[in-house]
Amino acid sequence: SQQGEEDPQALSIQEGENATMNCSYKTSINNLQWYRQNSGRGLVHLILIRSNEREKHSGRLRVTLDTSKKSSSLLITASRAADTASYFCATGSSGGFKTIFGAGTRLFVKA
Amino acid sequence: SAVISQKPSRDICQRGTSLTIQCQVDSQVTMMFWYRQQPGQSLTLIATANQGSEATYESGFVIDKFPISRPNLTFSTLTVSNMSPEDSSIYLCSVFDVMNTEAFFGQGTRLTVV
Repeated sequence: SQQGEEDPQALSIQEGENATMNCSYKTSINNLQWYRQNSGRGLVHLILIRSNEREKHSGRLRVTLDTSKKSSSLLITASRAADTASYFCATGSSGGFKTIFGAGTRLFVKA
Repeated sequence: SAVISQKPSRDICQRGTSLTIQCQVDSQVTMMFWYRQQPGQSLTLIATANQGSEATYESGFVIDKFPISRPNLTFSTLTVSNMSPEDSSIYLCSVFDVMNTEAFFGQGTRLTVV
């Protein structure tokens, strides 16, 4: 079963613009991870944020987590055509070891 | 971190046949999982591969269709049995690093059933 919902389902922006993707989840979590997947290829782990963290940065990526609202956002700044991919949030549940994925956002960055 | 190798990376199979996918991890791990990603969809957890006991399946998945072995802490197999075109998906092996509470994924096996 899928834990979360992501929005938007698809996002199309111009190169250089920022892209924001949101993820909501239902149960208590230990951590939340964001992954990228280029068309038909493997998952690339982008960033992990733990339940006691509120914000995390990695290069052009900024992730926020609001456990009171059970939501997270991924911001990609100064997007590039190479950022075109599907982005998934995935949650690790409290007291468990399963990682459950959201539906994903398809990002298109136009050159 | 853990390095996960999956074999085969892709295959085209006839309907009615079975395919066994192997997952090898470079270190001993407690938790191993199998996921399916249908075309254009997200990843769905199939089952937890338990070492020394039967796998634990998620709702909608059954052992007869997806038998799983886990003979030791570094290896697991997933068999897709009696395949139909609807089984065409990417199947991914995953391990969970309990110390860092982080999941790692193999590159996946792309299965096409014709």
